[in-house]
Amino acid sequence: QSALTQPASVSGSPGQSITISCTGTSSDVGSYNLVSWYQQHPGKAPKLMIYEVSKRPSGVSNRFSGSKSGNTASLTISGLQAEDEADYYCCSYAGSSTGYVFGTGTKVTVL
Amino acid sequence: QLQLQESGPGLVKPSETLSLTCTVSGGSISSSSYYWGWIRQPPGKGLEWIGSIYYSGSTYYNPSLKSRVTISVDTSKNQFSLKLSSVTAADTAVYYCARLRAATRAFDIWGQGTMVTVSS
Repeated sequence: QSALTQPASVSGSPGQSITISCTGTSSDVGSYNLVSWYQQHPGKAPKLMIYEVSKRPSGVSNRFSGSKSGNTASLTISGLQAEDEADYYCCSYAGSSTGYVFGTGTKVTVL
Repeated sequence: QLQLQESGPGLVKPSETLSLTCTVSGGSISSSSYYWGWIRQPPGKGLEWIGSIYYSGSTYYNPSLKSRVTISVDTSKNQFSLKLSSVTAADTAVYYCARLRAATRAFDIWGQGTMVTVSS
């Protein structure tokens, strides 16, 4: 099972919106509405930001939103802030025999 | 609130078995709402799911690691463990344990991670 494909880096100025794509296949992203997104600051554990494609856990800013179309999921960060600078990973459930597949990761830089 | 803490040797020799334990505090590992999982991250690289276990002991593993991985649970100690056999330098990574919510299939609580280096 190959990793889901994400852009290596995305950047934006404070206040702008950015979108990170996560491309999988019909066996993972395309088959299940079970895509999650994680934020990871350097030296820290990942933090759940989005689950089930577009739902936010309690305490996560509504500046973070998710969507999916076909085999591609997306994470949008609106009103970009300095604290959003981090690595972001998508993850999809891929069935009981394959389990979970993570994305390649995207480094978000706030200019 | 619920916390997870990984523990185990930070250095393992090539060809030996890596063993880690995750201790769950502030909640029960025997909840029917959750699985428990291991994820790793080689230095400077991305996340890789290793495997997950239910409190009943049912497991599922990453197919690429399945031949070398064993995950077990000890409900009396509120712990679950990882064993990875025949390790090589490629297994050097930060190893995280995490809670996996069954209904949403998302890893919602993570341990801080523990660095394991494979070297002679």
